[in-house]
Amino acid sequence: AQTVTQSQPEMSVQEAETVTLSCTYDTSESDYYLFWYKQPPSRQMILVIRQEAYKQQNATENRFSVNFQKAAKSFSLKISDSQLGDAAMYFCAYKQDFGNEKLTFGTGTRLTIIP
Amino acid sequence: GAVVSQHPSWVICKSGTSVKIECRSLDFQATTMFWYRQFPKQSLMLMATSNEGSKATYEQGVEKDKFLINHASLTLSTLTVTSAHPEDSSFYICSASGGVTDTQYFGPGTRLTVL
Repeated sequence: AQTVTQSQPEMSVQEAETVTLSCTYDTSESDYYLFWYKQPPSRQMILVIRQEAYKQQNATENRFSVNFQKAAKSFSLKISDSQLGDAAMYFCAYKQDFGNEKLTFGTGTRLTIIP
Repeated sequence: GAVVSQHPSWVICKSGTSVKIECRSLDFQATTMFWYRQFPKQSLMLMATSNEGSKATYEQGVEKDKFLINHASLTLSTLTVTSAHPEDSSFYICSASGGVTDTQYFGPGTRLTVL
């Protein structure tokens, strides 16, 4: 069974600085998807970024980028120029690459932005 | 694009009554919808997966007779909590996926309180 581990329950960063959230996963599959979702206090889950395992290039969405290390099964999220609106729970998730398979979530990292 | 709505956003009911929660994909056809439960400060727990026109697949430990799921169309799935009890009080979130990317998009959630 696939597992996703987020070893940092809480992180904090100064506004405008850069922070990296860690995520590791375990799978025997070679093709899969990885995601970072953000859950702000409103509790609405918001897709931050998506990575296909077959792509070597790291995904980037504006201030958000990932460091995908397939051999190490590592998928960290870097947030540049942190803003107050980035404060949220961040969940890393894994999905198999066929059909509409379920997501396996990590336990989450609570990110606090210090003004 | 990829907007998912949930209704109601919150509901309070008496013990023993049934509550129905609706999940709609507003701008895409969702071949698969997922229902999650989230306890405070915890990750999302998948309850069941539903494909349009077929019976839902429940996760281990989830009572299918208590949590009735219907996915009658490509834009609507419903979760009915039957004979609700205080321990069913929780935050219920749906997600929908469809199309090429199979990315799950989440609804805003429903807070259920059973008195």
